[in-house]
Amino acid sequence: AQTVTQSQPEMSVQEAETVTLSCTYDTSENNYYLFWYKQPPSRQMILVIRQEAYKQQNATENRFSVNFQKAAKSFSLKISDSQLGDTAMYFCAFTFLFQGAQKLVFGQGTRLTINP
Amino acid sequence: DAGVIQSPRHEVTEMGQEVTLRCKPISGHNSLFWYRQTMMRGLELLIYFNNNVPIDDSGMPEDRFSAKMPNASFSTLKIQPSEPRDSAVYFCASSPTSGRWETQYFGPGTRLLVL
Repeated sequence: AQTVTQSQPEMSVQEAETVTLSCTYDTSENNYYLFWYKQPPSRQMILVIRQEAYKQQNATENRFSVNFQKAAKSFSLKISDSQLGDTAMYFCAFTFLFQGAQKLVFGQGTRLTINP
Repeated sequence: DAGVIQSPRHEVTEMGQEVTLRCKPISGHNSLFWYRQTMMRGLELLIYFNNNVPIDDSGMPEDRFSAKMPNASFSTLKIQPSEPRDSAVYFCASSPTSGRWETQYFGPGTRLLVL
């Protein structure tokens, strides 16, 4: 089965704090890519960060970084110096090719609130 | 560079009416995806086109839904007749064929409400 589990339905932190969102996944594929998408109240789905599963080095994008543990199938997102604009739903996802077709599997999301 | 463009952004219609959602993918992207998002079911893939050809339509709910991609820069998702349970946010996404083929870029979505 190809699944993504986000065990934290909701999280809340104070502005400027660091927060980590957890994600585990299950796949039998060897070649896949992992993502975090952000969905603010506008409902737009915004790509936050991307990780290639064959790379051990953790991806970073400014204040956003991941902790990718391939053996454990874990892909957590760390947001440093959190800002009010980081308030959103965050979705963990992975993609792979199946019979030539691209498959993107999403978790159920974590609702993150940054408090002033 | 313009992102994925969807129209309309909001649609309110009555049960039984035909609804057409439109999408313009990012220029140069050869894959296009239609998703539906609801509270109960999360994000669901409805259909996936590659080079204008439907590759995977296993997520299309039923015959009331149809999708077309007449050319590389335009796709439509049609619901006829619409039902209240079709109320959702519909997203279009596109990805390139080469380079970062695996990265999907989403449009702003269409909020559909069927009364």
